[in-house]
Amino acid sequence: GAGVSQSPSNKVTEKGKDVELRCDPISGHTALYWYRQSLGQGLEFLIYFQGNSAPDKSGLPSDRFSAERTGGSVSTLTIQRTQQEDSAVYLCASSLFPFPGQDSPLHFGNGTRLTVT
Amino acid sequence: RKEVEQDPGPFNVPEGATVAFNCTYSNSASQSFFWYRQDCRKEPKLLMSVYSSGNEDGRFTAQLNRASQYISLLIRDSKLSDSATYLCVVCRASGGSYIPTFGRGTSLIVHP
Repeated sequence: GAGVSQSPSNKVTEKGKDVELRCDPISGHTALYWYRQSLGQGLEFLIYFQGNSAPDKSGLPSDRFSAERTGGSVSTLTIQRTQQEDSAVYLCASSLFPFPGQDSPLHFGNGTRLTVT
Repeated sequence: RKEVEQDPGPFNVPEGATVAFNCTYSNSASQSFFWYRQDCRKEPKLLMSVYSSGNEDGRFTAQLNRASQYISLLIRDSKLSDSATYLCVVCRASGGSYIPTFGRGTSLIVHP
């Protein structure tokens, strides 16, 4: 079946511009996560959505970052006034249940590689 | 101190070798522990969950030591295809759910 889909796969933008990244989770998955991964670094948690609950935004690095999830499905991550340090791979993951486990693993998309010039 | 710490390696081993990775975590209230595998320029994929009683999946054995707050992964009879980065994942409580927190990963290179 279809996995987690992210678009675009690559994005090059100029410093100061806004960008919008999209994630289409697996159908029926209630939990959705955004992470970013810089070169040689681990995955950094950004934001978590679970059903209709208020999102956990504790990982967002600054107020330039925001995300929404419409209708409990598609999510968009918006970065305003991009900076060079925002360059990274942005990964979206979804899981069937809110408690990750063997029966409800995280399924990751291929990521969006963002380059800010 | 980082929430989840791993030795980045790389661990460079010959085919057939046994190799072990450790991972430590700082939050004693953490629940749920996993190892994920990430191939170069690919997304992470679940390798196995980690239980206190230890669990085995073929050549892979995972162990959790809650008292010392570390997790281990043992790979026996290494194959060339095991070459990848192994990510330790610890779930921390956040509201009514758990947020998976990833370590930086340990790089494994298996050579002929």
